[in-house]
Amino acid sequence: RKEVEQDPGPFNVPEGATVAFNCTYSNSASQSFFWYRQDCRKEPKLLMSVYSSGNEDGRFTAQLNRASQYISLLIRDSKLSDSATYLCAVSFDMRFGAGTRLTVKP
Amino acid sequence: SQTIHQWPATLVQPVGSPLSLECTVEGTSNPNLYWYRQAAGRGLQLLFYSVGIGQISSEVPQNLSASRPQDRQFILSSKKLLLSDSGFYLCAWSVGGVPYGYTFGSGTRLTVV
Repeated sequence: RKEVEQDPGPFNVPEGATVAFNCTYSNSASQSFFWYRQDCRKEPKLLMSVYSSGNEDGRFTAQLNRASQYISLLIRDSKLSDSATYLCAVSFDMRFGAGTRLTVKP
Repeated sequence: SQTIHQWPATLVQPVGSPLSLECTVEGTSNPNLYWYRQAAGRGLQLLFYSVGIGQISSEVPQNLSASRPQDRQFILSSKKLLLSDSGFYLCAWSVGGVPYGYTFGSGTRLTVV
């Protein structure tokens, strides 16, 4: 079993749609979780941290489920500019998921 | 503010040639430093990490090596490149012990021909 796994994707959604990604991790001792955005041929950039109580940043909501060992990212009212690959990261293991590609279409 | 510099941006090297990629961080002290590789269409693979000068941990056995000669300098090297070494190499830093995530350099796209 991979240490960090993500929804395989790709996700193709229309503008304005709500889309959710999940990411599971295997190390129950993990404490820090993050979502990154990676544009084509660019470096990943931190999108948001994931806190135990869940957190929101504008149209983006991140949640953590420790019992089931997964984190999620919800994007509401998708924009064309949201098209990218979204990577989850588990800090304890310094591991990243393989990424989920999102394409938002007009 | 902290910045991370990575160079070169693009590199085309023949099989069997040596490699040296450099990464430097400014504006912080004693960062944790990482080298990742991302093959085409694949996820990030952790290659090496360092928590201090001269301290290197290797995640994947291969023909690559890393060194940290100074606090904010991290170097990735190879004596003889293989075709399978092609990929997008990313250096990253984080504050040790504080879960603020990683900040990546702009990466080096290496093609071994």
